[in-house]
Amino acid sequence: AQKVTQAQTEISVVEKEDVTLDCVYETRDTTYYLFWYKQPPSGELVFLIRRNSFDEQNEISGRYSWNFQKSTSSFNFTITASQVVDSAVYFCALSEAPGNNDMRFGAGTRLTVKP
Amino acid sequence: DTGVSQDPRHKITKRGQNVTFRCDPISEHNRLYWYRQTLGQGPEFLTYFQNEAQLEKSRLLSDRFSAERPKGSFSTLEIQRTEQGDSAMYLCASSPSGQDYEQYFGPGTRLTVT
Repeated sequence: AQKVTQAQTEISVVEKEDVTLDCVYETRDTTYYLFWYKQPPSGELVFLIRRNSFDEQNEISGRYSWNFQKSTSSFNFTITASQVVDSAVYFCALSEAPGNNDMRFGAGTRLTVKP
Repeated sequence: DTGVSQDPRHKITKRGQNVTFRCDPISEHNRLYWYRQTLGQGPEFLTYFQNEAQLEKSRLLSDRFSAERPKGSFSTLEIQRTEQGDSAMYLCASSPSGQDYEQYFGPGTRLTVT
């Protein structure tokens, strides 16, 4: 069965610090998809990234970067030079292909960035 | 391009009453999903539609819950005989068909059962 663990319940940093959010997943499938979503205080989940299991290349998008390591079943998310607007709950999710029908979310990590 | 919309945004009801929520997906999206999110947890999958066909249901979806998508566009989620444990945020998401697409979420309907 698929499972996503986000061991960090809450993280608090000061603006401009770098922060890494951890995500560990479990699946028996060889084909699967990993996601990160952001849920700001307004409540709407915002898509950040999708990764399939065959693509282990790390990705950078502005201040955001993702480190996918199949050997440790981890898909960690780093925010560089954090800003107050990054304060939100961040969810890692896993879907076993095809179709992304049943996306399994972790419990989320609440990130607070203080000015 | 409008995103996924949900109505109402908030609903307070008394235990035992029936409630119905509506979701309007992004117009060109064939797939529509319902999730439930309780405080401090990630969303939990409830059910999903491919056009008008309901193709998958979670065991979380008890017989008091029913979802429809009659014309393959908007969807409704009805909860009959609500219980306090039904209090949660109900999220709708949509995506195109295929396996290389992410789901886009609506703002959710927050249900409070008193």
